[in-house]
Amino acid sequence: GAGVSQSPRYKVAKRGQDVALRCDPISGHVSLFWYQQALGQGPEFLTYFQNEAQLDKSGLPSDRFFAERPEGSVSTLKIQRTQQEDSAVYLCASSFGFLGANVLTFGAGSRLTVL
Amino acid sequence: GQQVMQIPQYQHVQEGEDFTTYCNSSTTLSNIQWYKQRPGGHPVFLIQLVKSGEVKKQKRLTFQFGEAKKNSSLHITATQTTDVGTYFCAGRDSNYQLIWGAGTKLIIKP
Repeated sequence: GAGVSQSPRYKVAKRGQDVALRCDPISGHVSLFWYQQALGQGPEFLTYFQNEAQLDKSGLPSDRFFAERPEGSVSTLKIQRTQQEDSAVYLCASSFGFLGANVLTFGAGSRLTVL
Repeated sequence: GQQVMQIPQYQHVQEGEDFTTYCNSSTTLSNIQWYKQRPGGHPVFLIQLVKSGEVKKQKRLTFQFGEAKKNSSLHITATQTTDVGTYFCAGRDSNYQLIWGAGTKLIIKP
């Protein structure tokens, strides 16, 4: 597609619910990143995929967070048993090259509010 | 761990005044990127600096990368309302990870 597409744009969840956030990167982009951005803060790295391989998940804050990219294109970030501290904007970004190359194109983000 | 410190956190300016934000890394960076995030929007890539001492200009924006490749700055001349937003630097470390600064929010005084 022309850009990085994320859905849903807004999600309200009750504490304890599971949520799934989808990212559709630019076609042909090898690298895909998930970031978490709290209000007034910079993006915090969560995880990185090179094609379908999850090469770095060091930023995932707990085992309630899980990400996958099974066919090397669309990715899903899943948060189980959501907590209030999970409220943030979740940004997906993709790039054409591998980890050390190129720049990131971000999607519009999914804003998660946990009540 | 490796950090990129960005200052100031906020800068209030009158329209037409200049704006500068600075980034400092604890270690040498392979390159540094700058992004702009409009209110309610997502980060959008502005530029990448790779060489020691590099200076690049985009109209009223001037980007610099320090000689030691540990610091960088963005200077905007004669700010306009369209410049409003948060400017982030993101430095690439030796492991090719992007380390993000906390951003500087540019606010135009009414």
